[in-house]
Amino acid sequence: AQSVTQPDIHITVSEGASLELRCNYSYGATPYLFWYVQSPGQGLQLLLKYFSGDTLVQGIKGFEAEFKRSQSSFNLRKPSVHWSDAAEYFCAVGARKTSYDKVIFGPGTSLSVIP
Amino acid sequence: NAGVMQNPRHLVRRRGQEARLRCSPMKGHSHVYWYRQLPEEGLKFMVYLQKENIIDESGMPKERFSAEFPKEGPSILRIQQVVRGDSAAYFCASSTSGDTQYFGPGTRLTVL
Repeated sequence: AQSVTQPDIHITVSEGASLELRCNYSYGATPYLFWYVQSPGQGLQLLLKYFSGDTLVQGIKGFEAEFKRSQSSFNLRKPSVHWSDAAEYFCAVGARKTSYDKVIFGPGTSLSVIP
Repeated sequence: NAGVMQNPRHLVRRRGQEARLRCSPMKGHSHVYWYRQLPEEGLKFMVYLQKENIIDESGMPKERFSAEFPKEGPSILRIQQVVRGDSAAYFCASSTSGDTQYFGPGTRLTVL
């Protein structure tokens, strides 16, 4: 069975600073990988996904993530954080199971942005 | 193209009452997933349905919880005889076959 860890429960960065959120997964085959963002009181919005091909994936809102098979990681990055990026970020791994993808979510990383 | 819709957005029930949560998937999506999010926690998978069929209910509590996705109409997550521990945000997601899941805004259930 697949699993996901997000080592950082909470991160605080200054506006304009760079950001990297860590995600490590466990799965026996090539996984499908996702990053979602959740603003307070809202649902989850897909930032980006990796299914195959180029290991550097571009997403919305200026985010990118890199799949590193050797490290079982899929870290999310942004070169310059905006105050509106403050939210909860979830990494997720999908596994092909029979006819569908069962997606397992990590516990989330809460991002605070200070002026 | 409307996204995944969930209603109600907020639901308050007293202990012992029933809660019905509705989810309308995105147009063209025939796969529906339900997740529960407890305060300060991530999402926990509950159940996966296709039209008229439950495919995987491995995350559903054995008692009081049920889900359906009829041929016509929204998917329903039903919680009978609610208890305080059922208070959570319940999210629905939908997808086409074997593709990315898109989430609704959630229903926040409060049990008094």
